[in-house]
Amino acid sequence: GEEVAQTPKHLVRGEGQKAKLYCAPIKGHSYVFWYQQVLKNEFKFLISFQNENVFDETGMPKERFSAKCLPNSPCSLEIQATKLEDSAVYFCASSQSADGYTFGSGTRLTVV
Amino acid sequence: RKEVEQDPGPFNVPEGATVAFNCTYSNSASQSFFWYRQDCRKEPKLLMSVYSSGNEDGRFTAQLNRASQYISLLIRDSKLSDSATYLCVVTSTSGTYKYIFGTGTRLKVLA
Repeated sequence: GEEVAQTPKHLVRGEGQKAKLYCAPIKGHSYVFWYQQVLKNEFKFLISFQNENVFDETGMPKERFSAKCLPNSPCSLEIQATKLEDSAVYFCASSQSADGYTFGSGTRLTVV
Repeated sequence: RKEVEQDPGPFNVPEGATVAFNCTYSNSASQSFFWYRQDCRKEPKLLMSVYSSGNEDGRFTAQLNRASQYISLLIRDSKLSDSATYLCVVTSTSGTYKYIFGTGTRLKVLA
């Protein structure tokens, strides 16, 4: 499709629970990116994929965060043992090149 | 110092006004530059790419000054619907297409 589809739109988890977010990139786009937007508009890069291969994971908190992009499946971002500070909007984006991403509508994660 | 800096605003302007935003970036080797628009915590939407030669799209004009490492966005004849946060974005120099975001400039166009 012509949009990046993220699910769910909202997710509420108790501290210590697992959270799993999904992203279906635009068909034909080779690159997938995950960003975290916390209050005050700050975007933090988490990880990117080129097809199913990790392209850049320099932003990932290694201990609790993991991500995958498998063939014929939506990409996923999983947070084990969520903490209050993980509360944020998580945006996925896809692109074919450096000429601008298309973002999904985001998943708002609230950890209580 | 942040890699990409913007005045957070808010800029409150009347309808019909012309408003300009600037953004500075610290890495002189940065290669691609964009303005995105974000409404009320929705997803960022690409407004325009920015080139040294300047580019214009209707009421919007963007300019890149590589020597001074700043990017500008000019909005002419502001509409109420232009109210949003404008994000300056620069790609990382690592060749990974990673975006470095400014914190955004809030614009409110008043009737």
